[in-house]
Amino acid sequence: AQSVAQPEDQVNVAEGNPLTVKCTYSVSGNPYLFWYVQYPNRGLQFLLKYITGDNLVKGSYGFEAEFNKSQTSFHLKKPSALVSDSALYFCAVRDPNTGFQKLVFGTGTRLLVSP
Amino acid sequence: DTAVSQTPKYLVTQMGNDKSIKCEQNLGHDTMYWYKQDSKKFLKIMFSYNNKELIINETVPNRFSPKSPDKAHLNLHINSLELGDSAVYFCASSPEGLPPLGAFFGQGTRLTVV
Repeated sequence: AQSVAQPEDQVNVAEGNPLTVKCTYSVSGNPYLFWYVQYPNRGLQFLLKYITGDNLVKGSYGFEAEFNKSQTSFHLKKPSALVSDSALYFCAVRDPNTGFQKLVFGTGTRLLVSP
Repeated sequence: DTAVSQTPKYLVTQMGNDKSIKCEQNLGHDTMYWYKQDSKKFLKIMFSYNNKELIINETVPNRFSPKSPDKAHLNLHINSLELGDSAVYFCASSPEGLPPLGAFFGQGTRLTVV
């Protein structure tokens, strides 16, 4: 069964600094990987995805993520954080071999960007 | 023009009651889901329907029953509500086929059982 781990409950970064939110995954085949963001009292919003191809994926709001197969990781990054980036971030994985649609989410990482 | 809409947004009810949460998507997607987000923000899949057919049923109490009258709707009915059912419930949808896209989520329904 597929699973995904987000080892940090919270990440603190100062505005203007680069940020990284970590994610590692476990699937039986080549994974489909996703990042979602949840702002307070809102539903989840899609940020970016990796399906195949270039390991560096660019998404919404200046975010990007790097797929690393040897480390089974898909860390979310942004070169310069904004206060408005403060939110809850979820990594998700889908095993393409499962035969049905099932997105499994990590436990979430709260990002706090200080002014 | 909301893509995935849930009603109600907030639901406060007493223990033992039966309640329903409705979900509709106007994206033409084949697959719909229900996720539960607890107080610690853990997000767990509960059910998934594909073209009105149940394809995922995670370990949830029998008191939870999904109903899909058509491809665009997936309602969640909960019997004999318990305090532990208090959470935010998210409906989502996604298209079939390749390349796979992420799921589109509704705004969530905050259920409080008192």
